[in-house]
Amino acid sequence: DTEVTQTPKHLVMGMTNKKSLKCEQHMGHRAMYWYKQKAKKPPELMFVYSYEKLSINESVPSRFSPECPNSSLLNLHLHALQPEDSALYLCASSQQGRAWETQYFGPGTRLLVL
Amino acid sequence: AQTVTQSQPEMSVQEAETVTLSCTYDTSESDYYLFWYKQPPSRQMILVIRQEAYKQQNATENRFSVNFQKAAKSFSLKISDSQLGDAAMYFCAYRKNYGGSQGNLIFGKGTKLSVKP
Repeated sequence: DTEVTQTPKHLVMGMTNKKSLKCEQHMGHRAMYWYKQKAKKPPELMFVYSYEKLSINESVPSRFSPECPNSSLLNLHLHALQPEDSALYLCASSQQGRAWETQYFGPGTRLLVL
Repeated sequence: AQTVTQSQPEMSVQEAETVTLSCTYDTSESDYYLFWYKQPPSRQMILVIRQEAYKQQNATENRFSVNFQKAAKSFSLKISDSQLGDAAMYFCAYRKNYGGSQGNLIFGKGTKLSVKP
């Protein structure tokens, strides 16, 4: 099983809402990633979790709050977002986070902030 | 800072023909990895091929091969016998090797490949 799943597939939220994105993998991977991808642009790294600990935060605004409850799950909590936060949010995982590893990507959550 | 440049925003190829996608990168490091990832429309991004910087031999994966020129900092992808399913956005990516620990995966802006039947 080389699948990373993400829910929901689509999300529309207002600027005062609180919502969460969920990512799950059952490959036994210990590194998990959140990326943001705007239309026709490459993915931009937001956060990296390694062995359930946050190891990289790419200066992401605090209205995005990641959480890794266990080695299979990764959440991204959203609060007071801005319209410019509308994007495709991709989750990925890799075995241990080493440079040569394949990152396995989920299909993404397409977020629209009104 | 490391950068990855893909100079071809869009490319087109006839089915069964060969196409080459270009990628250049800038780094002062000697130990790193290069990747090509494919993102089909509305589908998951997947790894196409990977190259280790310290290996001179070019990587190949079935119909996909790379031309890795370390001195020129060039890493092009050749797709042979193109198929309709190859139509996708292709991202070139770089990742520094911090002695086995993680570094950021840095993507180029992508090349959109169309395959004509």
